[in-house]
Order: sequence, then C-alpha cells, then structure tokens
Amino acid sequence: EPEVTQTPSHQVTQMGQEVILRCVPISNHLYFYWYRQILGQKVEFLVSFYNNEISEKSEIFDDQFSVERPDGSNFTLKIRSTKLEDSAMYFCASSDPGAPHEQYFGPGTRLTVT
Amino acid sequence: QKEVEQNSGPLSVPEGAIASLNCTYSDRGSQSFFWYRQYSGKSPELIMSIYSNGDKEDGRFTAQLNKASQYVSLLIRDSQPSDSATYLCAVGLYTGGFKTIFGAGTRLFVKA
Repeated sequence: EPEVTQTPSHQVTQMGQEVILRCVPISNHLYFYWYRQILGQKVEFLVSFYNNEISEKSEIFDDQFSVERPDGSNFTLKIRSTKLEDSAMYFCASSDPGAPHEQYFGPGTRLTVT
Repeated sequence: QKEVEQNSGPLSVPEGAIASLNCTYSDRGSQSFFWYRQYSGKSPELIMSIYSNGDKEDGRFTAQLNKASQYVSLLIRDSQPSDSATYLCAVGLYTGGFKTIFGAGTRLFVKA
C-alpha cells in the first residue's frame, strides 16, 4: 500500500540553525500539507500546497518557514532560524485531488532544538 | 477563531462495549469532517470521513454528523483493547485553499 515517507525521523539542531524536513507524498496525490504537534498538544495546521504554490497557511507559518517541491517527488519544509519553541513533531500529509481533505500522514520528523 | 472541541477524556470502556466520542466545531463554513486515530508516538491515521448530515457506517465504526448543531460523533462498536488510542476530530475548510483544523483529541482506553 502506498504511503507517505518522511526523513529524517529525528533531527537535533541548535537554536538559530536552519533545518530542512523532507517528505515524499503518495505518488498520485496532488495536495500536500505540513502539520506540527508539540508534545502533549493538538495537531496544528501549518500549510497546504497545490499546483506548486501555497494554497493556505496558518498564522504559525510565518516568514521563518517555507515550503518547496523541488522535484516531482519531494516536498520540503524549511525552518530558517530555529527557536526552542519549534521543537515538535512535524507531519507531512498528502491527499488525492478527488478528496483533498482526506489526508494521509507520514510517520513524522521529531525536531529537537537545543 | 475556528475551533474544534473534544472531551479530553480519558474515556474508559470494557472490551465489547460501545465507545462514544463527541466533537463540536465553531465554523459553520466547515465542509468535511473526519476522525483520525493516533497511537502514542505515531502519526494520525484516517479512519472515517463524513460530508453530509446523518450516519455513515464502516465496519465497527459509525460517524454521525449534525450540521445544525455543529456536532460530530464517532461510535465504536465491540470495542477492542487495540482500539485504545487518542481519537482526533478534524474539520476541513476551504478558504481559498484547503485547511484542516484538529481537536485536541479524546483518549480512549478499552479494558480487557
């Protein structure tokens, strides 16, 4: 069964450093999403991406965040200058164009900022 | 502020019983409604979607939607210990782009 994959599974970085989290969505999906979940808290929407552009973003997704689809398979989230409060699990999700809200999640990347 | 509210639980039911999980949402423009299951340390897994008022059944799961009351529920029949997880209610919005708002989840324990 096709699945969303994410790398790395765990990333440790120092405050102020840039990180890139990588995702490979399900191959025939056209909608892509990033979410974060701080430990013990709810899953929070960050951004949705369609047709090579951001289609919606939350107030969390400020100028330090960016997304890119650099090729036909990868979808990345870049955090330019990490802060301690960026420590969280980051989930990528994708969905089929026929059911854009029915999202399939990857296993997540745990980001630890020290 | 668009909100999705759930009882945090924990909800504890004996094996074989019906577990009932509830959710309310604030945005009347919400178009689609979902239940995800999240095991500890894992990612959310989509288990049910519902788009129109009424009931939708899939195996042991039944989702119910009442848009007038802004209320969504999930019933799990014949609960099994493997159903023990956090159940996340999620609401899909289209505001020029697709956005999904999640509730904080209800923790369910099914006792053997």
